[in-house]
Amino acid sequence: DADVTQTPRNRITKTGKRIMLECSQTKGHDRMYWYRQDPGLGLRLIYYSFDVKDINKGEISDGYSVSRQAQAKFSLSLESAIPNQTALYFCATSETTYNEQFFGPGTRLTVL
Amino acid sequence: RKEVEQDPGPFNVPEGATVAFNCTYSNSASQSFFWYRQDCRKEPKLLMSVYSSGNEDGRFTAQLNRASQYISLLIRDSKLSDSATYLCVVNPQGSSASKIIFGSGTRLSIRP
Repeated sequence: DADVTQTPRNRITKTGKRIMLECSQTKGHDRMYWYRQDPGLGLRLIYYSFDVKDINKGEISDGYSVSRQAQAKFSLSLESAIPNQTALYFCATSETTYNEQFFGPGTRLTVL
Repeated sequence: RKEVEQDPGPFNVPEGATVAFNCTYSNSASQSFFWYRQDCRKEPKLLMSVYSSGNEDGRFTAQLNRASQYISLLIRDSKLSDSATYLCVVNPQGSSASKIIFGSGTRLSIRP
């Protein structure tokens, strides 16, 4: 079984809809991250969490919110989706900030 | 200047060739460096960490040049399966996760 899982894997939604992307991990890591990837722009950090009570904004947090329900679960929400949030979204975990990050398989989100 | 820059490629080389590409970074305080591999529409996966003394893993060699602020990746005897996008990651010491920077990637295509 995969160490980091994401649901859904693909989602098409309409402008203005609320959507939640979920991430679960079995690696036992405290640190979890949400990134989005756009062609030519690389991975950009949306939010990160060092433990259940520690959540921080990343480079591009506007329009997004997160919830760390447990050590193993970190959800990303788009309160009112807009077309420029169409992207590939990755969740990742790491043991420390300086260690390797382990990524989930990604969620391809399309906002019409 | 971008914080982390990579030649986007694509590098198109024949099987068996040696190929190298660099990644430059602007923050001289950067301490942790990594190369990740990303296959099309898949998640990034760690290829290798980059140590100050350089490191080698089979056909892959990573080096760090602090004076000129770049890291490099050398692939010898390239295989068709090496075709992928290679991302460099730079992490300044003592920073929060918000400072982790992913390059936008270098595309490599190995032809038969």
